[in-house]
Amino acid sequence: DAGVIQSPRHEVTEMGQEVTLRCKPISGHNSLFWYRQTMMRGLELLIYFNNNVPIDDSGMPEDRFSAKMPNASFSTLKIQPSEPRDSAVYFCASSSGQGGSDTQYFGPGTRLTVL
Amino acid sequence: DQQVKQNSPSLSVQEGRISILNCDYTNSMFDYFLWYKKYPAEGPTFLISISSIKDKNEDGRFTVFLNKSAKHLSLHIVPSQPGDSAVYFCAARRSSNTGKLIFGQGTTLQVKP
Repeated sequence: DAGVIQSPRHEVTEMGQEVTLRCKPISGHNSLFWYRQTMMRGLELLIYFNNNVPIDDSGMPEDRFSAKMPNASFSTLKIQPSEPRDSAVYFCASSSGQGGSDTQYFGPGTRLTVL
Repeated sequence: DQQVKQNSPSLSVQEGRISILNCDYTNSMFDYFLWYKKYPAEGPTFLISISSIKDKNEDGRFTVFLNKSAKHLSLHIVPSQPGDSAVYFCAARRSSNTGKLIFGQGTTLQVKP
């Protein structure tokens, strides 16, 4: 049974470019989460969706970041324009249950480097 | 404002001995706590959890203890095995926002053969 799938696994881009990270949650899960891990801030929640609707986006750092979930099997996290301080590992996770209360299963992450 | 803190960045123990990883929190509204384990180049995986109505939860070699008055929890691994070497994250959440996990900075555990 496939877990959470993220693409790309690695992304290197130049400052000012648009970056799109993709996530396919586990089939049947109704909540999806985007996290960012950095040395300075650790692992922090950016946004989460329940039944494709954004529930809490208080962790989204600024307007350059946006996330969408057009259907139950796909989500994107977009950074436009990207900056060097956006360099981090971005994880997607999914869970079942009401409001994302069940165990969150993480994908392998996308390592983003902005030069 | 670090609401969940893991003050020890690293811990080294001998195989077969006990590993104790600690976590402190500041928000008294947290009512559910979790531990995740992370290997390099992989995402975190759920290990064990505890509700605030309990003070202990055990699953095989892993036991989590919760001291609400001290706002402290710990993860005990007995006996430790080399395969337990990983980064361990403590996380907490509130019942009013069950999807939002607040993670600590993580503790790197090394179990030496």
